[in-house]
Amino acid sequence: DTEVTQTPKHLVMGMTNKKSLKCEQHMGHRAMYWYKQKAKKPPELMFVYSYEKLSINESVPSRFSPECPNSSLLNLHLHALQPEDSALYLCASSQGIKLNTGELFFGEGSRLTVL
Amino acid sequence: GQQLNQSPQSMFIQEGEDVSMNCTSSSIFNTWLWYKQDPGEGPVLLIALYKAGELTSNGRLTAQFGITRKDSFLNISASIPSDVGIYFCAGLQPTGAGSYQLTFGKGTKLSVIP
Repeated sequence: DTEVTQTPKHLVMGMTNKKSLKCEQHMGHRAMYWYKQKAKKPPELMFVYSYEKLSINESVPSRFSPECPNSSLLNLHLHALQPEDSALYLCASSQGIKLNTGELFFGEGSRLTVL
Repeated sequence: GQQLNQSPQSMFIQEGEDVSMNCTSSSIFNTWLWYKQDPGEGPVLLIALYKAGELTSNGRLTAQFGITRKDSFLNISASIPSDVGIYFCAGLQPTGAGSYQLTFGKGTKLSVIP
């Protein structure tokens, strides 16, 4: 089973709204990632959690706030977004270095539109 | 920073033809991955390569990890309409903090003409 589940699949929000994207995996992976992808571009890394601790923040604006409640869940809280933040947001997970493989498995993504 | 050069950017081929795409890097990677992405969906892992010189197949897909660890190619044989999508190469490196860093190529958009 290599499934990463993301909800919602589509989200439309205004610039003053607060919303959250959710990600879940039950593969026992200990690293989880948020990526942002614009049309016709490769995914760009936003955040990395390793063993439930934030290990990488790629200088993402504070209007994006990640949270890792436990090893299976990853959230991305959204507040006061801009129209240019509209994109496909991808969650991914990987096994972590102890198992000596690091392939990232991606969810289907959450398509965010900011009006 | 590290960059992957992926080519071609796009391809239009006839159903049944073979396809080849490749990636080169200015840096060495320990692992090389190939993903396929359909519109509006997340990337799906097709093949993972772990050793320099390794040749790996997955059905009609064949990929090789270059001996210098700086390049890889992906071949698709006897293409079918469902092969349509964007193919990304990605180099994988451990971050040293229990996670991994992916460096993506810019993608190859494949169109298959029935």
